[in-house]
Amino acid sequence: GAVVSQHPSRVICKSGTSVKIECRSLDFQATTMFWYRQFPKQSLMLMATSNEGSKATYEQGVEKDKFLINHASLTLSTLTVTSAHPEDSSFYICSATIPGGGNNEQFFGPGTRLTVL
Amino acid sequence: EDQVTQSPEALRLQEGESSSLNCSYTVSGLRGLFWYRQDPGKGPEFLFTLYSAGEEKEKERLKATLTKKESFLHITAPKPEDSATYLCAVDSNYQLIWGAGTKLIIKP
Repeated sequence: GAVVSQHPSRVICKSGTSVKIECRSLDFQATTMFWYRQFPKQSLMLMATSNEGSKATYEQGVEKDKFLINHASLTLSTLTVTSAHPEDSSFYICSATIPGGGNNEQFFGPGTRLTVL
Repeated sequence: EDQVTQSPEALRLQEGESSSLNCSYTVSGLRGLFWYRQDPGKGPEFLFTLYSAGEEKEKERLKATLTKKESFLHITAPKPEDSATYLCAVDSNYQLIWGAGTKLIIKP
C-alpha cells in the first residue's frame, strides 16, 4: 500500500518552455501532497504543500507563478514549471500522506529528472 | 531554531561490518522522527517512524532507536545492497525538518 507514482521520470526541454509533472497516489486518496526538489548530493528541499481543492502553500523563496501546483483530485497533483530555465534543472519529487493516518509519514514518488537546455 | 543534523556525511564499510548512523535534533515539538532510504535517482523509501524516547524498531538488518536528543540507525552485518543514502526527518509541530543524509557504501 501507499504507492505514489510520478510522470514523466525524465524530461528534457528547451529554455523558455513549460513542463508539467504529474504525481498520483495509486492505492489511497491523498488530501495533501508535497513537492520537493533535490540538487545533487543534497537533501530534500520542500517547495510547496498541495491541498486538494484549495491553493497550494509555498515555502519562502519559491515563486508560485513559476511553479504552478494544481491538486484537482484526491489522487492527482501536478507541478508545472513555467518558462523553464537551466537553473530549474533538478530532481523533483512528490510525496503524499495517508489521510487520517495520524502518523504523518510521507510516501514518495520515484522522482522526475528535469533538464533544461 | 529547529535543526536536524546527520553524521557522518559518508560512511564506507566492509560487508559484514556493523555500524551506526546518527541523527541529532533540536526541535520545539517532536511529533515523530522518520528514517528513509534513498537510492541514486529515486525517491526516498520509508523505513521507520519513532515517536518517543526509548522506542526501537527493526527491519531486517536495520534497527532504529530514539532518545530525547538523537536517533541512531544501527546496521548489522550489512550487505552491498544496503548501500544508499539514509535520510532522517523530524516532524516538529507538523513541519518536517530534514537532515542532509548519510551516504552509506558497503564494499563486498
